[in-house]
Amino acid sequence: GAGVSQSPRYKVAKRGQDVALRCDPISGHVSLFWYQQALGQGPEFLTYFQNEAQLDKSGLPSDRFFAERPEGSVSTLKIQRTQQEDSAVYLCASSPGQFDTEAFFGQGTRLTVV
Amino acid sequence: KQEVTQIPAALSVPEGENLVLNCSFTDSAIYNLQWFRQDPGKGLTSLLLIQSSQREQTSGRLNASLDKSSGRSTLYIAASQPGDSATYLCAVMDSNYQLIWGAGTKLIIKP
Repeated sequence: GAGVSQSPRYKVAKRGQDVALRCDPISGHVSLFWYQQALGQGPEFLTYFQNEAQLDKSGLPSDRFFAERPEGSVSTLKIQRTQQEDSAVYLCASSPGQFDTEAFFGQGTRLTVV
Repeated sequence: KQEVTQIPAALSVPEGENLVLNCSFTDSAIYNLQWFRQDPGKGLTSLLLIQSSQREQTSGRLNASLDKSSGRSTLYIAASQPGDSATYLCAVMDSNYQLIWGAGTKLIIKP
């Protein structure tokens, strides 16, 4: 596709359930980022991939959060044993180069934990 | 620790007016600063990217300035239109190559 695609657009999970969020970056983009955006706040960095290598995962809030990009294209963000505080919009972005090039964002996945 | 602040949090102006959105950051060691637009239910759209060596960028009715030494950036929107209504976010890329975000300014342009 022409842009970054995320699925599902909306996800409602019961507390304690595991969820998996998918990101399809723009084809050929080297860098992929995941962000978490709480209501009324700016996005918060979660993790960064350069191709298949996860170079920075310092923003992942707990060991319940796990991200992968095994073939350097599609990425999955997995949250285990979801908690109410995990409710947020999860944004994925990709960029053609490393670090300092323009980032293109997907529409996000809105996760609600009930 | 880098912190980004955007003022005002919300702004409502009549159509046709020129307006300025402000962004400040605490650490001048940045690689670049970007302004984004966020529409409800949609992702973020990059508007302008200013490298740390630059002082301004222009795209159509938008002009963004950067004063790295004072930790400030402004986004100037000329001749505002109702379609400009959105939340505008600024983000700086810090020395660790992470984007640090402001909370955004919600802009409403009244027809």
